[in-house]
Amino acid sequence: NAGVTQTPKFQVLKTGQSMTLQCAQDMNHEYMSWYRQDPGMGLRLIHYSVGAGITDQGEVPNGYNVSRSTTEDFPLRLLSAAPSQTSVYFCASSLGRLGSPLHFGNGTRLTVT
Amino acid sequence: GDSVTQMEGPVTLSEEAFLTINCTYTATGYPSLFWYVQYPGEGLQLLLKATKADDKGSNKGFEATYRKETTSFHLEKGSVQVSDSAVYFCALSDPSSGSARQLTFGSGTQLTVLP
Repeated sequence: NAGVTQTPKFQVLKTGQSMTLQCAQDMNHEYMSWYRQDPGMGLRLIHYSVGAGITDQGEVPNGYNVSRSTTEDFPLRLLSAAPSQTSVYFCASSLGRLGSPLHFGNGTRLTVT
Repeated sequence: GDSVTQMEGPVTLSEEAFLTINCTYTATGYPSLFWYVQYPGEGLQLLLKATKADDKGSNKGFEATYRKETTSFHLEKGSVQVSDSAVYFCALSDPSSGSARQLTFGSGTQLTVLP
């Protein structure tokens, strides 16, 4: 009954450091995505994937990389953290069909100092 | 491009009051519409959805009707409870935008219900 699992829950980075946010789902969903949530701005799409080996950019991709080597996992990499990347990050997945709802993880709260 | 506009929050109500959270949208095609709810410290959960005009989505006492003529999907509940305190997001997916799988979200409305 795990659904979408994100780790870590909290992270503090210094400017210039790199890290990977992990996301795994056990629902055999084709579609996976990463959003960032900032106050007053709703959720903005960073990157998404429609299946293993396929990724594409969303609305705000700069400073982030993704890969999709398996159906289950979709890690998000910050190459050189900046204070502007302080945010709450959500991973979400769906069956990928028209009208399919997204299933969200519980988020990673990232602070870059 | 597609966009979703929600009423500004925060909204504070007394228990058993009537709730309306307005949501209007702009889309190229015929989108599917969703309401998500986010409780403190958690991810978003699907509350209800509607996939075509005049459909009514409902769940846990909440309702929303897909109104194509006014491009709206307002969320309503007849009698709110303290446990309904959360942030509510309106969202759409538009197959005409190139990917029916992606969601465009509104900015969210914080609801606080007082006992």
